[in-house]
Amino acid sequence: DSGVTQTPKHLITATGQRVTLRCSPRSGDLSVYWYQQSLDQGLQFLIQYYNGEERAKGNILERFSAQQFPDLHSELNLSSLELGDSALYFCASSPGQGIVGELFFGEGSRLTVL
Amino acid sequence: DQQVKQNSPSLSVQEGRISILNCDYTNSMFDYFLWYKKYPAEGPTFLISISSIKDKNEDGRFTVFLNKSAKHLSLHIVPSQPGDSAVYFCAPGPQGGSEKLVFGKGMKLTVNP
Repeated sequence: DSGVTQTPKHLITATGQRVTLRCSPRSGDLSVYWYQQSLDQGLQFLIQYYNGEERAKGNILERFSAQQFPDLHSELNLSSLELGDSALYFCASSPGQGIVGELFFGEGSRLTVL
Repeated sequence: DQQVKQNSPSLSVQEGRISILNCDYTNSMFDYFLWYKKYPAEGPTFLISISSIKDKNEDGRFTVFLNKSAKHLSLHIVPSQPGDSAVYFCAPGPQGGSEKLVFGKGMKLTVNP
């Protein structure tokens, strides 16, 4: 158990819809990261927040947005969903100290767009 | 933009034998690398790292080798066990003030009993 909690674990929805994925980081971790894993693309970095502020942005589509709240939990919003958005979405957190680059991942949210 | 390349998508080995997973990079400024392991239905977990001041780092059955001149690193698992069956990702260490990691595409290792 990494200590990172993601909900929901599974989500099935239709094209054009909007969904919100939620992440609670490990206690005390200020950074939250979102990654997308689709079949042939490996783990793609989407976005990072640090203590409520956007820290880094990766290959995140304009239809996607994220935020980190004062209690440090984060939400990833996916809108105007397309079939190609079907993927596993992982959240990770890090303490900012300890092993450089050690991220703690949740178990992921599997999104299926029909 | 793949900062590291894992050119072989899969590897199958027999239990007890050595598994060698490879990872290539092009940016000679990278000075730290990490390997993560991912089981199905779980998130990735940190496995081992190496700094460029070393050419080898060992942790039990897992050893990572770094060849800076060839811009190549490899993860050796000896002896391989069925529980090592997973997808392995390599990544350069965090760059540019962010702690984010940019992973390779991963390699699926299957260790057969």
